[in-house]
Amino acid sequence: AQKITQTQPGMFVQEKEAVTLDCTYDTSDQSYGLFWYKQPSSGEMIFLIYQGSYDEQNATEGRYSLNFQKSRKSANLLISASQLGDSAMYFCAMRETRGGTSYGKLTFGQGTILTVHP
Amino acid sequence: DTGVSQDPRHKITKRGQNVTFRCDPISEHNRLYWYRQTLGQGPEFLTYFQNEAQLEKSRLLSDRFSAERPKGSFSTLEIQRTEQGDSAMYLCASSLGGLAKNIQYFGAGTRLSVL
Repeated sequence: AQKITQTQPGMFVQEKEAVTLDCTYDTSDQSYGLFWYKQPSSGEMIFLIYQGSYDEQNATEGRYSLNFQKSRKSANLLISASQLGDSAMYFCAMRETRGGTSYGKLTFGQGTILTVHP
Repeated sequence: DTGVSQDPRHKITKRGQNVTFRCDPISEHNRLYWYRQTLGQGPEFLTYFQNEAQLEKSRLLSDRFSAERPKGSFSTLEIQRTEQGDSAMYLCASSLGGLAKNIQYFGAGTRLSVL
């Protein structure tokens, strides 16, 4: 069974500094996808970044980058130049992919609350 | 282009009543997903559709829960005989299936409170 672990219940960072949110995963599949979502207090889940298990380079999307270490089964999110609007809950998630076809279910971690201080 | 829309945003009901939630996906998306999120937890998968076919259901989806997507567009999630343990945020997501990346885009959710 798939499992996602986020060991940091809460993180604090000063505005304009960088912060890393940890995520480790467990799966027996060779092909899978890893995702990070942001959930502000309004409740909507906002997609941030995706990493495929066969992607050779770490994914980047603007200020977000994913540090993918396959051998360690980790997929940490790096947020550079933090902004006050980054304060939110962040979830790491994983989805199986078999034979090139993605399966539906996302498995989420417990989340990390990020607070950005001015 | 509008995102995923969920209605209502909030629902308060008494134990034992039936409730129904609606989700309108992004128009070109053929896959639609339902998740449940309780306070302080990550979302948990309930079920998903590809077009009108329900392809997977979680064991979390008891007999009191039923989901439909009759024409492959909007979907409804019904909970019969609600219990206090059903109080949660119900999230809907949609995606364009068949691609490895297959990003799921979420709606703002329906928050259910069972009194």
